[in-house]
Amino acid sequence: DAKTTQPPSMDCAEGRAANLPCNHSTISGNEYVYWYRQIHSQGPQYIIHGLKNNETNEMASLIITEDRKSSTLILPHATLRDTAVYYCIVLKSGGGADGLTFGKGTHLIIQP
Amino acid sequence: DVKVTQSSRYLVKRTGEKVFLECVQDMDHENMFWYRQDPGLGLRLIYFSYDVKMKEKGDIPEGYSVSREKKERFSLILESASTNQTSMYLCASSLSGEMSYGYTFGSGTRLTVV
Repeated sequence: DAKTTQPPSMDCAEGRAANLPCNHSTISGNEYVYWYRQIHSQGPQYIIHGLKNNETNEMASLIITEDRKSSTLILPHATLRDTAVYYCIVLKSGGGADGLTFGKGTHLIIQP
Repeated sequence: DVKVTQSSRYLVKRTGEKVFLECVQDMDHENMFWYRQDPGLGLRLIYFSYDVKMKEKGDIPEGYSVSREKKERFSLILESASTNQTSMYLCASSLSGEMSYGYTFGSGTRLTVV
């Protein structure tokens, strides 16, 4: 699986959009970009995933660059409860039996 | 609606004890995983299973074993607990070949070995 690079930490004001970047320059054509988050002392939570098109769900939007070498997770109106570590991961399609490799992620802190 | 349930949230055990961590999922997923998470080291895969009675070693299987007698249940066993196994243990499950929902994690078990 391709390696990802994320900033170690970010701050964002409550009510503003939080934009979390991720570089995955060695991503392969059959690899998806997944985002998870982990709130302190809880298990990781799935947020969103995509292959090459931008995606949106009730939690967030995912913007993937045309060359697929980077992506941005957008939390449109951040709240204090969005404070968590956010992990960007790339996974092969059909890779449901492969274990996940989480890097260190980005610690997002939402400021009141 | 809880989908992956870990039997204990917090557990304290003595060195040398045999410890069982239980995980149950109600989503009919084929694949189940056990991870441990330690500060600065991220998530590390201990064992996983892609079918009943099947198991595969992950990155750090030493000192652990697993059991999967039923599709919905995956147990992690510490044969003789040691202090370096003090950690947060996370169970996860996924569907084979279908990545729409990725992996679903339990809430974790924080194990302390004294």
